[in-house]
Amino acid sequence: DAKTTQPPSMDCAEGRAANLPCNHSTISGNEYVYWYRQIHSQGPQYIIHGLKNNETNEMASLIITEDRKSSTLILPHATLRDTAVYYCIVRYNNDMRFGAGTRLTVKP
Amino acid sequence: AAGVIQSPRHLIKEKRETATLKCYPIPRHDTVYWYQQGPGQDPQFLISFYEKMQSDKGSIPDRFSAQQFSDYHSELNMSSLELGDSALYFCASSLFGGAGSTYEQYFGPGTRLTVT
Repeated sequence: DAKTTQPPSMDCAEGRAANLPCNHSTISGNEYVYWYRQIHSQGPQYIIHGLKNNETNEMASLIITEDRKSSTLILPHATLRDTAVYYCIVRYNNDMRFGAGTRLTVKP
Repeated sequence: AAGVIQSPRHLIKEKRETATLKCYPIPRHDTVYWYQQGPGQDPQFLISFYEKMQSDKGSIPDRFSAQQFSDYHSELNMSSLELGDSALYFCASSLFGGAGSTYEQYFGPGTRLTVT
């Protein structure tokens, strides 16, 4: 699976949009981009995934660049409960290869 | 909605003992995955099963084994426990986990294993 690079930490003000970037320059054509988050030792929580088109669900939006070498997860109105480690994962096969992730802290 | 169930939630064992962790997937999910997360580390994939057959293998020690049963639940058996095995163990489930599967995985709450 392709390697991903994320900033180790980010801060966001409550109520503002949180934009979490991810680089995956070696992604191959059939690999999807997944985003998960983990809140304080709980089980990782699925957020969203996509192949090449932008995706949106009730939790977040996923913007994938045209060359698919990077993506951005957008939490439109961050709340304190969104404080977590966010993982960007590129996968084709069964297992999820978690990288270092971004620790997002939402501040009041 | 029903989620992945793991038992026990906490387990304390001594070195060289054995432990068995259980995972009950979301109904209709036929694929189960096991992950290990050490203190301050990111989750690491151990092994997965689809339709009772091992489908992928990650960094699972030889002292560990796992299986999936006909009702799709799975058990992770750990023998000759070492202090370094102390970790959170997560189980996840998904629909069809065959090659090229893109179904999202749903994680359970984890089992915290402490080896003393």
